[in-house]
Amino acid sequence: QVQLQESGPGLVKPSQTLSLTCTVSGGSISSGAYYWSWIRQHPGKGLEWIGYIYYSGTTYYNPSLKSRVTISVDTSKNQFSLKLSSVTAADTAVYYCARDCHYDGRAYHYYFDYWGHGTLVTVST
Amino acid sequence: QSALTQPPSASGSPGQSVTISCTGTSSDVGGYNYVSWYQQHPGKAPKLMIYEVTKRPSGVPDRFSGSKSGNTASLTVSGLQAEDEADYYCGSYAGSNNFRVFGGGTKLTVL
Repeated sequence: QVQLQESGPGLVKPSQTLSLTCTVSGGSISSGAYYWSWIRQHPGKGLEWIGYIYYSGTTYYNPSLKSRVTISVDTSKNQFSLKLSSVTAADTAVYYCARDCHYDGRAYHYYFDYWGHGTLVTVST
Repeated sequence: QSALTQPPSASGSPGQSVTISCTGTSSDVGGYNYVSWYQQHPGKAPKLMIYEVTKRPSGVPDRFSGSKSGNTASLTVSGLQAEDEADYYCGSYAGSNNFRVFGGGTKLTVL
């Protein structure tokens, strides 16, 4: 059973960089079978996809956040990470990591089938 | 504003059926059979309920079904049960930008 667990500070000051890590267990990022994403949810609001990474380091980011987002991977630790720079109160949200699309040899399949529990990050002084 | 449009609320009595819509464009919902639906209970992570418009992951009751017509996808919950009360989000692949988009969510109330 694949499990994902987010970790990182729950409080970040405005203008600083938010940093979170997602640790994957029960499956290997380096297998190359899946892409891995970050998704956030503002309090009481809907879901917003932030971006994904592949084991090779290939990334794609939501254009609305692209200038501030960096997603990286550490296959030796089976982890991938999110950095969001120059944060403001508008970045206060629950941040989720999730397993994203995969290729079965014939076609890509786009859905998020495993999610972490989520971690609340508050941007405040 | 979310990329996909969902009604903010829906409701039904136990045993009844309810359908939640998700409207996008030809660049997302209408262009690909990659619509998925997620159930979220308060304080919990989203759970995949439907993928690729109509498919159910193992363990999801067959009371949950999905469909699509043009740019609008739908989730139908039949035989409503109390535990179905939750927020439901649709999601879609959005094409060449490898983008992922979500709806704003629908709060399903079991009366």
